[in-house]
Amino acid sequence: AQSVTQPDIHITVSEGASLELRCNYSYGATPYLFWYVQSPGQGLQLLLKYFSGDTLVQGIKGFEAEFKRSQSSFNLRKPSVHWSDAAEYFCAVGEGDGDDKIIFGKGTRLHILP
Amino acid sequence: NAGVTQTPKFQVLKTGQSMTLQCAQDMNHEYMSWYRQDPGMGLRLIHYSVGAGITDQGEVPNGYNVSRSTTEDFPLRLLSAAPSQTSVYFCASSYSRTGPITFGSGTRLTVV
Repeated sequence: AQSVTQPDIHITVSEGASLELRCNYSYGATPYLFWYVQSPGQGLQLLLKYFSGDTLVQGIKGFEAEFKRSQSSFNLRKPSVHWSDAAEYFCAVGEGDGDDKIIFGKGTRLHILP
Repeated sequence: NAGVTQTPKFQVLKTGQSMTLQCAQDMNHEYMSWYRQDPGMGLRLIHYSVGAGITDQGEVPNGYNVSRSTTEDFPLRLLSAAPSQTSVYFCASSYSRTGPITFGSGTRLTVV
């Protein structure tokens, strides 16, 4: 069965600094991977997704993520964070073959210092 | 507006009561699912469905039932509410298992 690990519960960065949020997964065959963001008191919004092809995926709000099969990772990056990026970020994984479940990680809460 | 509609938004139940959380989508999505969100636990999959008449268990199905009689609706039933079911519940849908998920706005449930 697939699983998702987000090692960092909280991350704090200064406004304008770069950001990397980690996501590691286990899967049976061909994964498809997502990053979602949840602002305080809000629902979840899709940032980006990877199914196949180019391993560097561009998303909304200036985010990108890189799929590294050898490391079983799908880390989210942003070159320069804004105060409005403060939110909780969730990595999710589904299996491409057979299993229809989409499993989420426990989330990383991002704090931005002015 | 098209999307996933959940009702109610808030609910308080007494231990042992039963209730149904409603979920409807108007995007003709085949894939629907229910998640619960608890602090520090992320979103955990309760049940999901890949089409009308087809449902399956997720990570934490105990204490919950679902059915999918139409493409549009996917209600979640709590059989006998327990304090451990206090949570925020999200219904979600997508056009396929690989499609981006559209989430409802959530139902905050408190069991006392």
